[in-house]
Amino acid sequence: NAGVTQTPKFRILKIGQSMTLQCTQDMNHNYMYWYRQDPGMGLKLIYYSVGAGITDKGEVPNGYNVSRSTTEDFPLRLELAAPSQTSVYFCASNPSGDNQPQHFGDGTRLSIL
Amino acid sequence: DQQVKQNSPSLSVQEGRISILNCDYTNSMFDYFLWYKKYPAEGPTFLISISSIKDKNEDGRFTVFLNKSAKHLSLHIVPSQPGDSAVYFCAASAREYGNKLVFGAGTILRVKS
Repeated sequence: NAGVTQTPKFRILKIGQSMTLQCTQDMNHNYMYWYRQDPGMGLKLIYYSVGAGITDKGEVPNGYNVSRSTTEDFPLRLELAAPSQTSVYFCASNPSGDNQPQHFGDGTRLSIL
Repeated sequence: DQQVKQNSPSLSVQEGRISILNCDYTNSMFDYFLWYKKYPAEGPTFLISISSIKDKNEDGRFTVFLNKSAKHLSLHIVPSQPGDSAVYFCAASAREYGNKLVFGAGTILRVKS
C-alpha cells in the first residue's frame, strides 16, 4: 500500500499565484488532515475532514481552502499565495478520530517569493 | 499559547545509552498522547502512544511515561542506536476537542556511534 501520497514534493510560487496541493490515501480512512510546519515549530492544523463532503477549520485556516469529494482525496488550495505561507505542508489520515495514530505523507515544501 | 512544549531543542547521546526526551503540556483536558519520529524529507512516523488512564506504555526499546499530576510525559529509548537519530515530536489530543492533535516543536536526537 502506498499510504498517504502528496504531490508535488517541492514548489516555488510567486506572490499572488494560486496552486493546489494534492493528497490521496489508499487506506479507506475517513479522517484526513492538513498541517503546516514552520522552521523550529511543531505541526499546526490547517483544515480537517471527517468524511467525504465534510470539512472544518483547524488552528490556522486563513488563506487556504479544502474540499473532500471522495474518501481518498483531500486537496488543499492556496488562492493568493503570500510569503507567510512558505512552509512544509503535511497531509495525514486515520480511520476515525478516536485515539488512533495519524499516518502522514512525506510533505510538500512550498516557497513563495 | 503553546499547550505542548518540548523545552529541549536537541539531545546528543552515545550509542547504547538511554535517550530521554521530555514533553510538558498545560491543558488538563488532554487524554491521549503520542510520540512521532521524523527523518529529513519524510513525514512524521507514529512511534508510541499512551492514554491518560495509564502511566506507562512499552514497545520494544521505546517506553513512554505519563505523569498527569505534573502534566509531563517522557520517551525513553534503550538502548539508543544511530538509526534513532531524528526529530521527535510529542503530540496530545482531547476527546472534548474532537481528538485533534496539538504538537510540540520537536527535539532533535543525535545518537553518536
